[in-house]
Amino acid sequence: GESVGLHLPTLSVQEGDNSIINCAYSNSASDYFIWYKQESGKGPQFIIDIRSNMDKRQGQRVTVLLNKTVKHLSLQIAATQPGDSAVYFCAENSINTNAGKSTFGDGTTLTVKP
Amino acid sequence: DAGVIQSPRHEVTEMGQEVTLRCKPISGHNSLFWYRQTMMRGLELLIYFNNNVPIDDSGMPEDRFSAKMPNASFSTLKIQPSEPRDSAVYFCASSLFPGNTIYFGEGSWLTVV
Repeated sequence: GESVGLHLPTLSVQEGDNSIINCAYSNSASDYFIWYKQESGKGPQFIIDIRSNMDKRQGQRVTVLLNKTVKHLSLQIAATQPGDSAVYFCAENSINTNAGKSTFGDGTTLTVKP
Repeated sequence: DAGVIQSPRHEVTEMGQEVTLRCKPISGHNSLFWYRQTMMRGLELLIYFNNNVPIDDSGMPEDRFSAKMPNASFSTLKIQPSEPRDSAVYFCASSLFPGNTIYFGEGSWLTVV
C-alpha cells in the first residue's frame, strides 16, 4: 500500500566527515532563523541562530549559512561525531510582524556511522 | 538553570478520558507555546500565549482541546474527551519574547488506547 506521513530527508555520514544539512524557507519576510537538534526521546534543542542581516554565523563545530536571495539555509557540522546523530530542524520567524511563532521544517535525519 | 518542565512525561489513557498536560516555562520568559509532534504531521504549533494571554490558537485541532495559562509560571493543555488519534508527543516551549529563540521541554508522550 501507499505509505503516508512525512518522508524526512536523510543524511548518512562517516564519523569525522563534515555534514551539510539544507533547508528551504518560504516566507520572504522571515528575518530570524534557528537550527534545532532533536535526539531520540527528547525535545528539540537550540543549536545556533542567525538574523537576516547576516549571511554566516559560526559556533562550536557548527556554521549556519543564509542565502536570502534563494531563501535557503544550511547547517554545517565539522568533524561529525556519533553524538551528532539526530533529527535537525530549521525554523523561521519574523520578529517584525510579531507573529511570535516559529515555523518549523519537516526535519532531516542525520546518521553518523562509526 | 531549570529549563521548561513538563508533566507527565508519559501517559497512557483510555479513549474518552480527560487528559491534562502541564507545563512550567523558563522563569522570565513571556511567551509560551504548545506543540504536537507526530510521524504523520511533524511538529505542529497548537497555541501560543504572550504574557499569559492566548495570541494564536488556530492550530488547536478541535473543541476537545483547550489550553490555559493562569499565571506566568504555569500552563495546561487539556484534551476532553481523548481519542486514539490524539496519541502524540506534546511539547511545551517558551521564549523570552515573541520571535525570540524557543526552548522546548522534554515532552509529554501521550498514548490513547
